[in-house]
Amino acid sequence: QKEVEQDPGPLSVPEGAIVSLNCTYSNSAFQYFMWYRQYSRKGPELLMYTYSSGNKEDGRFTAQVDKSSKYISLFIRDSQPSDSATYLCAMSKLTGGGNKLTFGTGTQLKVEL
Amino acid sequence: EAGVAQSPRYKIIEKRQSVAFWCNPISGHATLYWYQQILGQGPKLLIQFQNNGVVDDSQLPKDRFSAERLKGVDSTLKIQPAKLEDSAVYLCASSVGYEQYFGPGTRLTVT
Repeated sequence: QKEVEQDPGPLSVPEGAIVSLNCTYSNSAFQYFMWYRQYSRKGPELLMYTYSSGNKEDGRFTAQVDKSSKYISLFIRDSQPSDSATYLCAMSKLTGGGNKLTFGTGTQLKVEL
Repeated sequence: EAGVAQSPRYKIIEKRQSVAFWCNPISGHATLYWYQQILGQGPKLLIQFQNNGVVDDSQLPKDRFSAERLKGVDSTLKIQPAKLEDSAVYLCASSVGYEQYFGPGTRLTVT
């Protein structure tokens, strides 16, 4: 079993839709949760960053973490064609020596006009 | 602020050949990471440096992969000899705190 599970999609939605992207994980030691956006042939770009449980909002993006269920979500409101990309969840443990990220496989999102 | 720089962007080699990738992190970022991203998968950490010391290389195939970070700034990742399964994008990232910033990657094709 992988430590982080993510539905690879592809997910296709019309412009303006609310998008829900999710990841589950098995290791309760994870404390930091991130969402990265990756456009084709580009490196991942950090979108949202959450420590422990709770919600965090940034513009059209909302990240939720439910540690009791080992489940994290990213919501995108009023989706735009420019949101078309692969979305990667990533998480890390509290460690003294660094910040090793464990990634999901990524969900490919396409927002259509 | 300049981002993480990587070169080359693309490389095609034959199996059993050697290849090297270069990374220049964001200025002032003490921690540097090399990831391997195989098509359709998330990035997998190969090695992590703190300044010029190795913090984690547990997933680096040490029989063929090596990495160094001279003077705590630039880093080089080498593969020798390459195998077909090494075809992937090699991403370099640097961080301050827990936020990692990625470069554009080097796409390696081994034929």
